[in-house]
Order: sequence, then structure tokens, then C-alpha cells
Amino acid sequence: ETGVTQTPRHLVMGMTNKKSLKCEQHLGHNAMYWYKQSAKKPLELMFVYNFKEQTENNSVPSRFSPECPNSSHLFLHLHTLQPEDSALYLCASSRSGAAGGDTQYFGPGTRLTVL
Amino acid sequence: GNSVTQMEGPVTLSEEAFLTINCTYTATGYPSLFWYVQYPGEGLQLLLKATKADDKGSNKGFEATYRKETTSFHLEKGSVQVSDSAVYFCALIIGGSARQLTFGSGTQLTVLP
Repeated sequence: ETGVTQTPRHLVMGMTNKKSLKCEQHLGHNAMYWYKQSAKKPLELMFVYNFKEQTENNSVPSRFSPECPNSSHLFLHLHTLQPEDSALYLCASSRSGAAGGDTQYFGPGTRLTVL
Repeated sequence: GNSVTQMEGPVTLSEEAFLTINCTYTATGYPSLFWYVQYPGEGLQLLLKATKADDKGSNKGFEATYRKETTSFHLEKGSVQVSDSAVYFCALIIGGSARQLTFGSGTQLTVLP
């Protein structure tokens, strides 16, 4: 599957670093999502963008800052993270405003480790 | 609110055994239902879906039927392979596109040769 790509695949950062995660979808979708997958916890939705507008922010701490410059790209900017933020960060996309638009397609994820 | 309950794992089977992973849901409205699979070290892949009652989703030998009367979407496969070893997630969505998927906690499946 190359419809949704994420870079980097692995990232190790210190608590004072600033880094960004990138997601790109090649499916012509208009909605994009960030999810967090921690060990032994259900997947947590973080942000939803629909036609480049943020439509959901699930009480995510401000040290996570999303950016959606166009419908194909989604970023997650990270700064002053905590060790408990270590997780797999998954990006997904879906069509919007169309029949069958509820199916979300996921990227491979970025494995983040905060030291 | 919406929720998805999956059978607790891990599940360990021998190759060619029959697989059932139970999934039940609660939802306000009429959800679309999904099974996603996550292979080791990878992201989630859509395995199958069903959008209305009595629909059957199928893919790669896996099947699940949307049962409104029992609010269930159990995943089945007649003969599992070692390559089916993965974590399986049941999920639902209400209201169409750009909405939050509600996931179950996932069921780890290990198939032994």
C-alpha cells in the first residue's frame, strides 16, 4: 500500500527537541487524521482535517501542533515532548462528502521515542 | 456514546484452524463497521467493511456479517495461515466521512505452523 505515506518511519528525540512528522496521501482524499497508538491502549484520535480545516481536536496538549497546508499533506509538529508521548503515530485519510467516504486508509506510522 | 468491544486476546491457533474474533458494538444511529489488521511493525490496513445491516464484508478469506439484531460484526476465517498472525481491530463510524473512527482494543492472533 503506497496510498498514504509517512516520514520518518522512526524518530528518536530529546525532550527539548523540535521535530515534525509528515504524512502525504495520494488517493485524492479531502479528510486527514492523526491517531496515537500507545502500548496496551486503544487508538486515540488526535486531530481531524476536512478540506484543510481542522474539525476536531481531541483535547491534545499544545506540544503537538498540526498543520494541513493542502488536502494531500498533513504535518504534526512536536516540541518539548514528554517520555509518555512515545508511541506510534498514525496518519489516515478518507474521501469527504461522498458516498463511501467513511473508509479511512492508514499510513505505516512513525514510531516515536522520546528520551 | 459509541463503543466497540472485542474478545480479549491473545488468540493462538494452529495453521488451518477455524478463526472467530468476536466484536460487538453500541452506537447511536446506524454505523458503518470495519475490521482493520495490523501486521508487526506496520500501520493499520483495512481488511473488510460493511455499511448496513445484513451486509457481509469479505477479503483474503476473512468474512464478517453486520448483525443489527445482535449488534455484532464477528470476524471469521475458515483456515488460518501463519501469515495471518497480526493484531485485528474492529471499528465503527457514525455519520459518514471526516468522522472519528471508534476502535476496539485489538485482538492479537498468533498462528503456529
